[in-house]
Amino acid sequence: QQQVKQSPQSLIVQKGGISIINCAYENTAFDYFPWYQQFPGKGPALLIAIRPDVSEKKEGRFTISFNKSAKQFSLHIMDSQPGDSATYFCAARITGNTPLVFGKGTRLSVIA
Amino acid sequence: NAGVTQTPKFRVLKTGQSMTLLCAQDMNHEYMYWYRQDPGMGLRLIHYSVGEGTTAKGEVPDGYNVSRLKKQNFLLGLESAAPSQTSVYFCASVTRTGQDYNEQFFGPGTRLTVL
Repeated sequence: QQQVKQSPQSLIVQKGGISIINCAYENTAFDYFPWYQQFPGKGPALLIAIRPDVSEKKEGRFTISFNKSAKQFSLHIMDSQPGDSATYFCAARITGNTPLVFGKGTRLSVIA
Repeated sequence: NAGVTQTPKFRVLKTGQSMTLLCAQDMNHEYMYWYRQDPGMGLRLIHYSVGEGTTAKGEVPDGYNVSRLKKQNFLLGLESAAPSQTSVYFCASVTRTGQDYNEQFFGPGTRLTVL
C-alpha cells in the first residue's frame, strides 16, 4: 500500500512558467512533509519542508501548499528555470525521526 | 566535513556473487538508512538503524543484510546477488537530537548492476 502518492510522473514546463507537483497521503499521523530535489547522478537533497500547523511555506521561488483536510500537499516552482530540471520527491514522516516515506518522484524538464 | 559518503560508486556483479556496500557519515548522526532507487518506483527503504548495534527491516529487506557496528558506519550486504537487485543504492542519515524535524542527508549513491 503506497502511503504517499505523487503526480505527475513527468512534467515539461516552459522557462518562466509555473511547475506544480502534487502529493497525497493516507496516514493522518504524518506530521512532517519535505520535498527533495535530485539531479542526475547525485543523491537527493532537501529542498523545502512543511509541518501541518501551517498551510503554506515559501522559500524563494519554491512554495509548499498544504491542505490538511484533503491530506494533500503540493510543490510550486515559480519562474521555472532550466536549472530546475531534476527529479522531485515528496515525502512524509511521523514525529520522532521515523523513516521518511517517499513518493515515486516527478521528473521535471524546463525547456527554453 | 564530508557528510555522507558511499563506497563503491559503481559495481558490476555476477548472479550469486556477494558484496558489501559501505556508508559512512561524519555528522555523529544516530539514525542511518539504506534505500534503493529504481525507475518509476521512487526511493524504497531496505533497512535502517536507530543506533549503534541496532537494525530494523524496511519496506524491501529480502535479499539484504545490514550491520551497524560503529555509529558512523552502516553496511549493506548482498549474500547472493540477483538481477532484481540491479539498482542505485542510497544511504542517508539524520540526527536524533534537537527538534523532531531534522533534515535527512543522503549520500551520492552506488550504482550496482547484477548480470
